[in-house]
Amino acid sequence: IAGITQAPTSQILAAGRRMTLRCTQDMRHNAMYWYRQDLGLGLRLIHYSNTAGTTGKGEVPDGYSVSRANTDDFPLTLASAVPSQTSVYFCASSLGLNTEAFFGQGTRLTVV
Amino acid sequence: QQQVKQSPQSLIVQKGGIPIINCAYENTAFDYFPWYQQFPGKGPALLIAIRPDVSEKKEGRFTISFNKSAKQFSLHIMDSQPGDSATYFCAASSAGGTSYGKLTFGQGTILTVHP
Repeated sequence: IAGITQAPTSQILAAGRRMTLRCTQDMRHNAMYWYRQDLGLGLRLIHYSNTAGTTGKGEVPDGYSVSRANTDDFPLTLASAVPSQTSVYFCASSLGLNTEAFFGQGTRLTVV
Repeated sequence: QQQVKQSPQSLIVQKGGIPIINCAYENTAFDYFPWYQQFPGKGPALLIAIRPDVSEKKEGRFTISFNKSAKQFSLHIMDSQPGDSATYFCAASSAGGTSYGKLTFGQGTILTVHP
């Protein structure tokens, strides 16, 4: 059982470039989430999707976009990367509301 | 606006000690309070969770204490071991309102347990 798979594991990206972080889950969970983790700030929600075909903005959505074309995939796109987007990004999923969230291994992104 | 505030930022204890991590929340609609454990290079994993209808929940060496009136909850680790060294996050969510199903995390506590 793979759970949640994120790709790439790490990436160095030039400022201004476009980048898509991939996330796939095989648990048939309805809800999926993207968080960024920064030291001293914990995990902050970027975007979420409660079910395929719907998405919503989290706490820090600016500069990011998502899509949820099917249950399994939830890609996160940075249209034009900036250095402040340097962070570790985690994708997560949960079966429903107020249930355990399962996290991927993370993508370490450095924007230079 | 940080809706869940966690303290301390870091904590060092000796093996066998009882580290305590505290969290306070603002949103009275929160009704699910999990704790996540994260090892370096890994994603967070659920450790233990509590709902506001109980004041305490224990799973093995880990205990959550919950004070609804004070809007606070804490994690206690009994007989701590070096293998417990990790970053711990508290979180909260609700089944309704603006926080609908979405976890809001605290800032994290880096725990080090010395042998």
